[in-house]
Amino acid sequence: AQSVTQPDIHITVSEGASLELRCNYSYGATPYLFWYVQSPGQGLQLLLKYFSGDTLVQGIKGFEAEFKRSQSSFNLRKPSVHWSDAAEYFCAVLSGGYNKLIFGAGTRLAVHP
Amino acid sequence: NAGVTQTPKFQVLKTGQSMTLQCAQDMNHNSMYWYRQDPGMGLRLIYYSASEGTTDKGEVPNGYNVSRLNKREFSLRLESAAPSQTSVYFCASSEIREDTQYFGPGTRLTVL
Repeated sequence: AQSVTQPDIHITVSEGASLELRCNYSYGATPYLFWYVQSPGQGLQLLLKYFSGDTLVQGIKGFEAEFKRSQSSFNLRKPSVHWSDAAEYFCAVLSGGYNKLIFGAGTRLAVHP
Repeated sequence: NAGVTQTPKFQVLKTGQSMTLQCAQDMNHNSMYWYRQDPGMGLRLIYYSASEGTTDKGEVPNGYNVSRLNKREFSLRLESAAPSQTSVYFCASSEIREDTQYFGPGTRLTVL
């Protein structure tokens, strides 16, 4: 069965530090992968997506993610975190029938000044 | 262009009451979805509609019904609410099902 694992439930970083959020997926074919961000009390906003092509994808707000098929990973990175990046981040894969997104449990990011 | 809108934003029900959550999108998308979000579980699909006139069950459909009223609107109904349905409900839409989904702001539902 398809699944998405985000190993880190909570991460705390200092403002200006680099960030990497981990995401591993279980999927038989080439996956369609997404990262969404959710600020408190808000809906989900798409950060970036990977469908095919270049395995390093750029997103909004200075985020990027790298698809590594050999490791079944799609980790999210940002070189310098801002206080406004504090939020919950969800990795997701589009299922084989393309009729649903399968989400990870999320990683909550806190940013210290 | 409002994207995906949901009403109401908040709702408190007593066990056994019914209610309908409304969702509308103005992006001319074909596919629409209802998810629920519970702590530590990410989002789980309740029902989806791949195109106008069709609906299908997702991962957790029990206790819910849906109606794709037209291309713009997709409603979720709880016929007899239970405390286990306390959750945040999100509606989403996509142009085609193999595409990016765009989410509404959510409805926070509490069932007492």
